[in-house]
Amino acid sequence: DQQVKQNSPSLSVQEGRISILNCDYTNSMFDYFLWYKKYPAEGPTFLISISSIKDKNEDGRFTVFLNKSAKHLSLHIVPSQPGDSAVYFCAAKPSGNTPLVFGKGTRLSVIA
Amino acid sequence: KAGVTQTPRYLIKTRGQQVTLSCSPISGHRSVSWYQQTPGQGLQFLFEYFSETQRNKGNFPGRFSGRQFSNSRSEMNVSTLELGDSALYLCAIPIMGRGGPGANVLTFGAGSRLTVL
Repeated sequence: DQQVKQNSPSLSVQEGRISILNCDYTNSMFDYFLWYKKYPAEGPTFLISISSIKDKNEDGRFTVFLNKSAKHLSLHIVPSQPGDSAVYFCAAKPSGNTPLVFGKGTRLSVIA
Repeated sequence: KAGVTQTPRYLIKTRGQQVTLSCSPISGHRSVSWYQQTPGQGLQFLFEYFSETQRNKGNFPGRFSGRQFSNSRSEMNVSTLELGDSALYLCAIPIMGRGGPGANVLTFGAGSRLTVL
């Protein structure tokens, strides 16, 4: 039973445009949601997070939106740059000392 | 990757063999988590050790085991390797002060890429 779903395996966006990566979840008991970025031959790197009591968090070019009623979150990257090309993982943190649950990832390609 | 060193970076084994992977966090970190990354399944949680005790375990068969030493270094072992065990194995430690209280932001090592032939 997959609790965190990233239904788009890949996304291609032109440089300078907006990239929108989506994530759906099934468990209402998640406290936090996180986005990680992964380049080949490296481990995932933390990008941005949002508490379940917020609906938006912004950090530079990256904004995460949370829609609790729809159990959906999205990561917006504006403007997209070629260096943003990577695999993006959505993750959710249940309450207590329980591990992060990750989605399967979305490969973003930003075309110059 | 700063904070977590994993060895070896790459290795090739054959079916039926066993493998041991190592993870060395920077000193002072008592929690170490292991994840398996495969193209079809994303990142899947294997186990977490806290102060040498397994605190959480994912849904993997008993062939996957781990341990943590008193100096926080951790090892994971996979016995009787199968083709499907080919994956990137990632070790991670929590970072304090990032993402908000309770976010449990992890920093990952670069991983050990295991290929089973």
